[in-house]
Amino acid sequence: DTGVSQNPRHKITKRGQNVTFRCDPISEHNRLYWYRQTLGQGPEFLTYFQNEAQLEKSRLLSDRFSAERPKGSFSTLEIQRTEQGDSAMYLCASSFAGTRGDEQFFGPGTRLTVL
Amino acid sequence: GEDVEQSLFLSVREGDSSVINCTYTDSSSTYLYWYKQEPGAGLQLLTYIFSNMDMKQDQRLTVLLNKKDKHLSLRIADTQTGDSAIYFCAPRVSDTDKLIFGTGTRLQVFP
Repeated sequence: DTGVSQNPRHKITKRGQNVTFRCDPISEHNRLYWYRQTLGQGPEFLTYFQNEAQLEKSRLLSDRFSAERPKGSFSTLEIQRTEQGDSAMYLCASSFAGTRGDEQFFGPGTRLTVL
Repeated sequence: GEDVEQSLFLSVREGDSSVINCTYTDSSSTYLYWYKQEPGAGLQLLTYIFSNMDMKQDQRLTVLLNKKDKHLSLRIADTQTGDSAIYFCAPRVSDTDKLIFGTGTRLQVFP
């Protein structure tokens, strides 16, 4: 296991369609985070899980967004009825809570383009 | 709310030192991280500092923390062209585990 992986790397969709992204964290990492990054900006926190429990959701996460981590391993982020404003890079990160530094390691991201 | 500010651009000559500065508002941040992002890529963790430290050195990287002024800096010694990227400081919000990012500093290294 060499790091956090995300699929797909790129997604182009039409407005109104649903999309789902997947994140596979580093093995044995019990925390998983989702961030969104728009062009020219830093990442913004969306939500995070400890094991399978979703512990915090940002106000940025509208009702059209839902995230799951059913078995405490991989996670999915679904966006329903996509809008052009959803176009962004969606980044996933993982960490192991309690380690010195609690470092979050990021995946390569999924770039979403909504036409 | 929490906020992070960095200057947008920094240009340095290859071989010189680079200093990237960051100010933040959350005085209770426990860990403060530096990440590097190359075009079209995810974020690479470079180093971090715990809030009870004022300096940390890691090979070519030196992090300085002034907790009173809520100021963090990253010094890169002997800057190389491969260091050209966007650098983000990211304090960890104390009562959650989320990181707060600013807009980042774009470092350009010229020969």
